[in-house]
Amino acid sequence: DIQMTQSPSSLSASVGDRLTITCRASQSINNNLNWYQQKPGKAPNLLIYSVSNLQSEVPLRFSGSGSGTDFTLTISSLQAEDFATYYCQQTYNTPPTFGQGTKVEIK
Amino acid sequence: QVQLVQSGAEVKKPGASVKVSCKSSGYTFSNYGFTWVRQAPGQGLEWMGWISAYTGHANYAQKFQGRVSMATDTSTSTVYMELRTLRSDDTAVYYCARVMSVSGVNWFDPWGQGTLVTVSS
Repeated sequence: DIQMTQSPSSLSASVGDRLTITCRASQSINNNLNWYQQKPGKAPNLLIYSVSNLQSEVPLRFSGSGSGTDFTLTISSLQAEDFATYYCQQTYNTPPTFGQGTKVEIK
Repeated sequence: QVQLVQSGAEVKKPGASVKVSCKSSGYTFSNYGFTWVRQAPGQGLEWMGWISAYTGHANYAQKFQGRVSMATDTSTSTVYMELRTLRSDDTAVYYCARVMSVSGVNWFDPWGQGTLVTVSS
């Protein structure tokens, strides 16, 4: 199985901060990398698919980049509603696998 | 709009089975595949398997082989997941999601609201 490793596992940030979360795959996954946001008690919600494609209605402050094994999710200016846990996911191979999550908390 | 609505919470005893349903609306059901992902309390996301609503063919994670079954009912646009021989560590929220696929890249969207399955004696 392809292992997905996110860093950091958690972070504290303030509204207005620029945030970057990284995700590393144990082997090349081409562009088969997605990002999800999950708020407490809620289902995951797709933010970005295929590395850099913003899902409909996702704010433009979210962006994704990367290739091969290394990927990033960037939030250009953190808003109050962005405090959540973020997961990367590879769908290059079956089984699809998720990173362990990055919890973004209020500083 | 496109949505998936799951059945309600379940409490089961060890060794029992649970069947969770996921009813979809807002699009042509048989054009898509569906997947199940679970999340134990305070833990991350674990993929269980997926099924094509068009062919009915399912592919399960090795961890759940022999214990899980997935099925679709095109007449009601509903996907089902049955997990058998439940153990306490199967206690989790179970999510269904639609599988989107474009140019060989897959992603999960939307997701159901989740179904809490508690396994306790």
